[in-house]
Parts: sequence; structure tokens; C-alpha cells
Amino acid sequence: SYELTQPPSVSVSPGQTASITCSGHKLGSNYVSWYQQKAGQSPVLVMYQDMKRPSGIPERFSGTSSGNTATLTIRETQTMDEADYYCQAWDSNTVGGFGGGTRLSVL
Amino acid sequence: QVQLQEGGPGLVKPSENLSLKCSVSGDSMTSYYWTWIRQTPGKGLEWIGNIFYTGSTNYNPSLKSRVTLSLDSSKNQFFLNLSSVTAADTALYYCARGGANCGSVTCLDFDIWGRGTMISVSS
Repeated sequence: SYELTQPPSVSVSPGQTASITCSGHKLGSNYVSWYQQKAGQSPVLVMYQDMKRPSGIPERFSGTSSGNTATLTIRETQTMDEADYYCQAWDSNTVGGFGGGTRLSVL
Repeated sequence: QVQLQEGGPGLVKPSENLSLKCSVSGDSMTSYYWTWIRQTPGKGLEWIGNIFYTGSTNYNPSLKSRVTLSLDSSKNQFFLNLSSVTAADTALYYCARGGANCGSVTCLDFDIWGRGTMISVSS
């Protein structure tokens, strides 16, 4: 599968900005999606095509992608944002992959 | 409201075949990609493969020799068959929908997920 790398964990204080990165070969040439997975729940799409928010996702969530790195940014982080976040993309051979996931802690 | 519901045996013996079903409710299967994704306990997500509503497929190369996806649009169901399973195939298996936001595989995202079905491989 397409190899994508994420930091295992990110910690942020409530109200601060959290940034979660995802890196992969020529990632900037491919659209990236992001999923939020809370404990015991199925993943939820929070960003697609690098920077588009699905209906119902707060404007606090934003995305960027350039070069080999995509970034999910959460402004004014709240305790309800605590979750695992996964990036996902496709390589040029239509092989899909997920990042290993980043545990976001809001302390 | 579109919903996906996985169904499976729960327990499979090593070397046997795993068959899973995903039932789609609330919409037709037409125009979408239908996907299987698994998550090993405490670990991350692994894409298994997609099937387009026309029946065309693409698979994860690491599983391609053992995976077959199929669908029955008349019943609004799609299926995963994984042959010769081992303990490494023990995982929570999700079905998901792709294509609501993008019409080609190279930009697919998964906007609807099932709740997952846990499959254990053990004798």
C-alpha cells in the first residue's frame, strides 16, 4: 500500500492550535483525506481533497498539502477533538494507503 | 440516510476462507465505489480494496493474491472473500463508501463507514 507517515502523538492545550502532519512520496501530487476516530467508534471523514470540509465538520478544522507533506490543523482545540487522526491518499498506481495514525491529546 | 452494515462469521479457522457481506441501505450502489478496510487491534487502518458499481476492482498489492471483491446491486450488497487466512488477518473489518466527493480512484475519500465486524482467526 501507499506508505504514509504520521507522528504517533500530538499534545495540545485546550484553545490552542494542533497540527498533524502526514508525509509520503510525492504526496503533494495526490489528494489527501483525513479521518477522525474516537475510541470505540468508526472513522469519520473530516477533510477531503486536501482542504475541503464535509458538511458538519467545524470550520476550526483545515487542511493543506505541499511537496511531500499534508497537514491537518485544528484551531481552538477542544476536549471533544481528542481522537486518533488518520491521513489517506492514493499513489499514481491507484494503490491506497493510510498513515499510521496520530493520537491527539488535549490536556 | 445512507447506512452500511457488515456481516461475518466472527471466528474463522486458519487456512480457511473468510467471507464478509456489507449491506447498503438508504441509497443505490450506483455511481459509487465500495471499499473494505481493516484495523488490527490497537493498530491503524489498512485499505483492502475497492469495487466500483460496475464491478471493476482494485486491490492492495499486499493482499491481492488472496482477495476477491464482488457485489450484488440488486440486493444492495457487496462482498469480501479473503482466502487462506492466518492469525495476521485477525482484525476489525469495515466497509465504506467512496466517490461521493470525487469520481475517480485517485481522489477517493470514504464518507460513509459501517460499524465494523470483528473477525478472529483461531483454531
